[in-house]
Amino acid sequence: GAVVSQHPSWVICKSGTSVKIECRSLDFQATTMFWYRQFPKQSLMLMATSNEGSKATYEQGVEKDKFLINHASLTLSTLTVTSAHPEDSSFYICSARVARHYTEAFFGQGTRLTVV
Amino acid sequence: SQQGEEDPQALSIQEGENATMNCSYKTSINNLQWYRQNSGRGLVHLILIRSNEREKHSGRLRVTLDTSKKSSSLLITASRAADTASYFCATPQTGANNLFFGTGTRLTVIP
Repeated sequence: GAVVSQHPSWVICKSGTSVKIECRSLDFQATTMFWYRQFPKQSLMLMATSNEGSKATYEQGVEKDKFLINHASLTLSTLTVTSAHPEDSSFYICSARVARHYTEAFFGQGTRLTVV
Repeated sequence: SQQGEEDPQALSIQEGENATMNCSYKTSINNLQWYRQNSGRGLVHLILIRSNEREKHSGRLRVTLDTSKKSSSLLITASRAADTASYFCATPQTGANNLFFGTGTRLTVIP
């Protein structure tokens, strides 16, 4: 199957700093990538849909100024957590789909963010 | 919310036994997918069943879909300790390209 690489796999940062997470599709072009957040022992909650060359579409309740998403190419989307706070600590996962509806999604390995 | 629900939330079985997980969803779908997640890792796609299919097999996995009841089940036969993970069902959002995930079942297979 297609490979999605997410980096870093874990990061610890100080409150007030910004952290960038990268999501790359290695062997296919992803016009759309998705960013999810997952709390311990809970399901994935969609944060935003990242569209190549255009602004991301954020889900209700997700602060677009806090979670900056850039999809500059067909193989790379980035999520920047700005002015991080301890409550931003979570597991962030990106995914990409090759085509609409009738295909599976491919996921990155996830990034464990800890804000201290 | 379009998010589905799964039961049980947690399941613990002995190696060799079968594990059954159920998923219910809320809206009409064109397919339903099952994913597996090892602790602290990303998700891995297991199987996709289309809305016009009632049952599908893949190795030790068997998935059923009942669109009239808006429910699906995942059966893992002859479980192994390596099957220990969380399992999620997912459905495509209507008119969009993203997936909504169920609440997940945490499966523990005891050697």
